[in-house]
Amino acid sequence: DTAVSQTPKYLVTQMGNDKSIKCEQNLGHDTMYWYKQDSKKFLKIMFSYNNKELIINETVPNRFSPKSPDKAHLNLHINSLELGDSAVYFCASSQRLAGGTGELFFGEGSRLTVL
Amino acid sequence: QQPVQSPQAVILREGEDAVINCSSSKALYSVHWYRQKHGEAPVFLMILLKGGEQKGHDKISASFNEKKQQSSLYLTASQLSYSGTYFCGTANFGNEKLTFGTGTRLTIIP
Repeated sequence: DTAVSQTPKYLVTQMGNDKSIKCEQNLGHDTMYWYKQDSKKFLKIMFSYNNKELIINETVPNRFSPKSPDKAHLNLHINSLELGDSAVYFCASSQRLAGGTGELFFGEGSRLTVL
Repeated sequence: QQPVQSPQAVILREGEDAVINCSSSKALYSVHWYRQKHGEAPVFLMILLKGGEQKGHDKISASFNEKKQQSSLYLTASQLSYSGTYFCGTANFGNEKLTFGTGTRLTIIP
């Protein structure tokens, strides 16, 4: 059983399109995150939800909209895709907030390529 | 503020030791270490919460110097399986957001 699973693993799309990435965790964690890893391998936090409530919202274009229907799911929708959105997007979860004692469990990542 | 890691990359022969440093410009509440193998997700290694705390994980250990606002990861007698990119993650007092460092790419050769 995969603890944190993301779909799809690969997306290739044209500029201007809209796409979604889904994430589910079966660890019973309260907190979920989206991280973006660019071509230079920098891992940057985008959003964090705790029990369906948005708690971290970094400076991310509002073309990115996260949604958490329940605490086991966190989806990411991206409108009007741009070339610079190409990256690997990681979903993660933790029992407690990661900045404290929360160990992050990452999904396998979703590689988005915008042409 | 993104913590800075050094070195950016290091190549070792199997059995050699390595030290990876992580520095922050702000007072730290916690330091986390993760390893990411090529094409895979980052995997948790350890968390350090107290100044001066040291933790070990097999032959991988870490220290946390609160005064210097830095942490170091020590890899002893490196194995081929240690290859990957190591990230520190830091959280500051009053802000529980975890910010990852610039990464250190470690390559172990036979």
